[in-house]
Amino acid sequence: AQKVTQAQTEISVVEKEDVTLDCVYETRDTTYYLFWYKQPPSGELVFLIRRNSFDEQNEISGRYSWNFQKSTSSFNFTITASQVVDSAVYFCALSEAVTGNQFYFGTGTSLTVIP
Amino acid sequence: GAVVSQHPSRVICKSGTSVKIECRSLDFQATTMFWYRQFPKQSLMLMATSNEGSKATYEQGVEKDKFLINHASLTLSTLTVTSAHPEDSSFYICSASRNREGGQPQHFGDGTRLSIL
Repeated sequence: AQKVTQAQTEISVVEKEDVTLDCVYETRDTTYYLFWYKQPPSGELVFLIRRNSFDEQNEISGRYSWNFQKSTSSFNFTITASQVVDSAVYFCALSEAVTGNQFYFGTGTSLTVIP
Repeated sequence: GAVVSQHPSRVICKSGTSVKIECRSLDFQATTMFWYRQFPKQSLMLMATSNEGSKATYEQGVEKDKFLINHASLTLSTLTVTSAHPEDSSFYICSASRNREGGQPQHFGDGTRLSIL
């Protein structure tokens, strides 16, 4: 069974719009970690955030914010006032304490910000 | 942030050639390195997990004789695609992690685009 689901394959928004990328995960481990990575067209993966299962506080970093809800097993990512430079593929990933540092990646959401 | 260098960034070679890709962690010691393969518009597919000083653990369906992985030091892992064929053409990405504990971010290299003619 897929452990990380990113149901949105592709999203297009007009610049300055807000956009939310969804991530739903599945795990039986009580200790786990969630990540978001950005992959721009150049290919490198850029680490954005890590969250552990015991910290449900939402986090804001500039135009980026993350909403972690254990009740719905979701870790959604919102970009406020999107910019063309935000165009990329965004991956959500899960790491379980029981399996060490192996990542389970979602299938990614391709975001296009139209100027 | 942590820096992982991957080299070369692009390789174009003839069928039957062996290609070596290097992954170096520049500013930390990487107990574990991972090798991924990514097809166009798809997610990352884990090929193998490489722990320093021991044999790599390959995922199901990945030929260990085809994709040779060496992790001889805490800062260097190599992936050698032996006798490459056109179907091996892909984007290969390495990542490094400080230790085996869960929760450690993986820091990714810039990837290697391999094209076999």
